Amino acid sequence: EAGVTQFPSHSVIEKGQTVTLRCDPISGHDNLYWYRRVMGKEIKFLLHFVKESKQDESGMPNNRFLAERTGGTYSTLKVQPAELEDSGVYFCASSGQGPYNEQFFGPGTRLTVL
Amino acid sequence: AQSVAQPEDQVNVAEGNPLTVKCTYSVSGNPYLFWYVQYPNRGLQFLLKYITGDNLVKGSYGFEAEFNKSQTSFHLKKPSALVSDSALYFCAVIYSGNTPLVFGKGTRLSVIA
Repeated sequence: EAGVTQFPSHSVIEKGQTVTLRCDPISGHDNLYWYRRVMGKEIKFLLHFVKESKQDESGMPNNRFLAERTGGTYSTLKVQPAELEDSGVYFCASSGQGPYNEQFFGPGTRLTVL
Repeated sequence: AQSVAQPEDQVNVAEGNPLTVKCTYSVSGNPYLFWYVQYPNRGLQFLLKYITGDNLVKGSYGFEAEFNKSQTSFHLKKPSALVSDSALYFCAVIYSGNTPLVFGKGTRLSVIA
């Protein structure tokens, strides 16, 4: 079974540019989460999809961040325009139906904004 | 607010010795606790979880953790450390259903041969 995949693995952009991160969850997983870890700090929740619907987006830092999940499959996270403080590692995770299932994480996308 | 504390940024242990990575959580309802590990250039891998039942939980790679409600702790342990255990360890908590994980800041474990 394929795990959670993320693309790209690294992205280096300049302040003001746009970047789109992609996450492909494990097939059949309804729950999809985005998290971010800024250097040396905690991994922080960004948002949660259940199928194609946003269940919780309380962690989204501001309106420069836009997440979508087309047809309840893969998800994209767009940052537009990027700022220096957006640098960090963006993780995607997915989990199946039922409560308290462990979340399976992708390898992350390391975003550097110069 | 829900929170998890990992009081040690770094833990060093000699190969073959027992290891402990500490985690405490804030009290709010019934916590469900998880440990994840991140190896270099890899994503987070699930190690083990406590949902209910036996307070001692066994997980992958010989790791185990004990849920202690009175001390609000969920320390990760292994009887005999391996060099290959060197990685970044994260404790996390949820309080209901498929809600997002709340993570600690992580503890870097270094096992020295």
